[in-house]
Amino acid sequence: QVQLQESGPGLVKPSETLSLTCTVSGDSIKTYYWSWVRQPPGQGLEWIGYIAYSGSTRYNPSLKSRVTISADTSRNQFSLKLRSVTAADTAIYYCARQSLVYYWFDPWGQGTLVTVSS
Amino acid sequence: QSALTQPPSASGSPGQSVTISCTGTSSDVGSYNYVSWYRQYPGKAPKLMIYEVSKRPSGVPDRFSGSKSGNTASLAVSGLQAEDEGDYYCSSYAGSDNWVFGGGTKLTVL
Repeated sequence: QVQLQESGPGLVKPSETLSLTCTVSGDSIKTYYWSWVRQPPGQGLEWIGYIAYSGSTRYNPSLKSRVTISADTSRNQFSLKLRSVTAADTAIYYCARQSLVYYWFDPWGQGTLVTVSS
Repeated sequence: QSALTQPPSASGSPGQSVTISCTGTSSDVGSYNYVSWYRQYPGKAPKLMIYEVSKRPSGVPDRFSGSKSGNTASLAVSGLQAEDEGDYYCSSYAGSDNWVFGGGTKLTVL
């Protein structure tokens, strides 16, 4: 059974960098694609980007200038960095496995709330 | 504002059927058969219910079905059960390695 777990600070100051890590068990990140999705309080979901098994990355055009997704295959983890955060970046951040054959996201991590506030 | 438009709420009594719509554009839903649906219980992670417009992953009851017409995709739930209550989100491939989601629909089983 594939499981994903997000970890990282729950509070980030404005203008700083949000950093999260997703630990994957039950599958190797050297397969599939691995994504970050966020959900602002009371709002819908927003795809942030993915890192492929090859190491290539793709990002949501609206966030591209501030986002970096990287992977540590030795730890079976992948990470998100979002720079220059503002209150609008307050959200629950989910990591998810993504298929580019069937174009689904499955499974997802439980999510972690990140609040941007001074 | 989300890229795909869903009704904020939907409801039905146990045993009834309900349909949730997901409206996009000719650049996403209308161009690709890569619409997926997710159910989310409060405080929980989203769960894949439908992919490629109408395919069900293993373990998802056949009471759930998906379809698409033009720029609008739909999720139908028949024989409503209490466990079907939750938030439902649609997603579509939008081309150029980009994905979009809907704002979500809260399904209430009366």
